[in-house]
Amino acid sequence: NAGVTQTPKFRVLKTGQSMTLLCAQDMNHEYMYWYRQDPGMGLRLIHYSVGEGTTAKGEVPDGYNVSRLKKQNFLLGLESAAPSQTSVYFCASTPPQGIGWETQYFGPGTRLLVL
Amino acid sequence: AQSVAQPEDQVNVAEGNPLTVKCTYSVSGNPYLFWYVQYPNRGLQFLLKYITGDNLVKGSYGFEAEFNKSQTSFHLKKPSALVSDSALYFCAVGDYKLSFGAGTTVTVRA
Repeated sequence: NAGVTQTPKFRVLKTGQSMTLLCAQDMNHEYMYWYRQDPGMGLRLIHYSVGEGTTAKGEVPDGYNVSRLKKQNFLLGLESAAPSQTSVYFCASTPPQGIGWETQYFGPGTRLLVL
Repeated sequence: AQSVAQPEDQVNVAEGNPLTVKCTYSVSGNPYLFWYVQYPNRGLQFLLKYITGDNLVKGSYGFEAEFNKSQTSFHLKKPSALVSDSALYFCAVGDYKLSFGAGTTVTVRA
């Protein structure tokens, strides 16, 4: 199993450009999450999904959109990037209901720089 | 609302000495508490969790944590720290939606 993978690993954008971050998991996990990590602020939840075709807002959703068309993939979109979106983005997933359902498994992260 | 606080930005210890990383929580109802570790340029890795049961929880790499309901704390401990334990540690609270603390940087010197 590859676990949780993220594409790309690093990206530089100019203000106003758009991009999509891809998260994929091969563990048949039901729930998936997008976080951003900023120095001194820990991880903050952007959006999450409790299953294929569903999405919901987290703590800091403004400026981002998400889609979960397939169970194994969770896409994070930036329609018009801003310097405030410079951050490290992490995807995570959790197993189906049962033992261990509450433990999140994280991807390696995507470092985004918006100039 | 749920939240955790990690009162120390940094913890420095000598190798072989005990390591403690502090965490306090605020939540209505019974808390689900977690510790994650992040090594440089890597994603977060799960260390341990408290859901219910014994107040002393044992996790990966020799770490343990003590749940204290009266003090609303969930401190992470290791009896004898290693240089390889140097990393960023996060406390978190929640069930399917987690709220993370700001993180504590642990440096273990040889």
